Amino acid sequence: GAGVSQTPSNKVTEKGKYVELRCDPISGHTALYWYRQSLGQGPEFLIYFQGTGAADDSGLPNDRFFAVRPEGSVSTLKIQRTERGDSAVYLCASSFIIKYNYGYTFGSGTRLTVV
Amino acid sequence: LAKTTQPISMDSYEGQEVNITCSHNNIATNDYITWYQQFPSQGPRFIIQGYKTKVTNEVASLFIPADRKSSTLSLPRVSLSDTAVYYCLVGEAGTALIFGKGTTLSVSS
Repeated sequence: GAGVSQTPSNKVTEKGKYVELRCDPISGHTALYWYRQSLGQGPEFLIYFQGTGAADDSGLPNDRFFAVRPEGSVSTLKIQRTERGDSAVYLCASSFIIKYNYGYTFGSGTRLTVV
Repeated sequence: LAKTTQPISMDSYEGQEVNITCSHNNIATNDYITWYQQFPSQGPRFIIQGYKTKVTNEVASLFIPADRKSSTLSLPRVSLSDTAVYYCLVGEAGTALIFGKGTTLSVSS
């Protein structure tokens, strides 16, 4: 596609439930990044994929959060036993990995609300 | 932790030039300097990137002194639609960029 696509755009779930957030990167982009953003804050890094593997998952807050990218394209962020504090906008970005990195392209995000 | 420091907010009027300066005292040799813009309810949008000296594109200019410990994003003749949050980031290609809180620019008529 022309841009990074994230679905759903909005998700409301009950505390304790499991959710999956999907990211469809720009075709050909080998790098994929997940961030989350709370109101008034900058995006917080979660995890970064190069191809199918997680190159850096140091930002995942705890073991309730997990992400996969099985074929090196679409990625799914999975959150188990959701808590109200997980409410945020979850952003996905993709890029080429080249020496002269011209930056990421972000999607519009998934707004997750845990009630 | 973000490796950059920038003002929390700035105000300007339409038609003025706006300069946002970012400090990155511990920038590494392989780090590039990248600026993003974010509007409400949207993901950040890449504006400009540079390594040293000056870079200019159709949207902005980026000035980087020789020691690379700071950089200045220059927006010529801003309009109301330039009201947004601007983030300065440093990092190496192939690594995850770390965002700070950014600078909220408010443009008034």
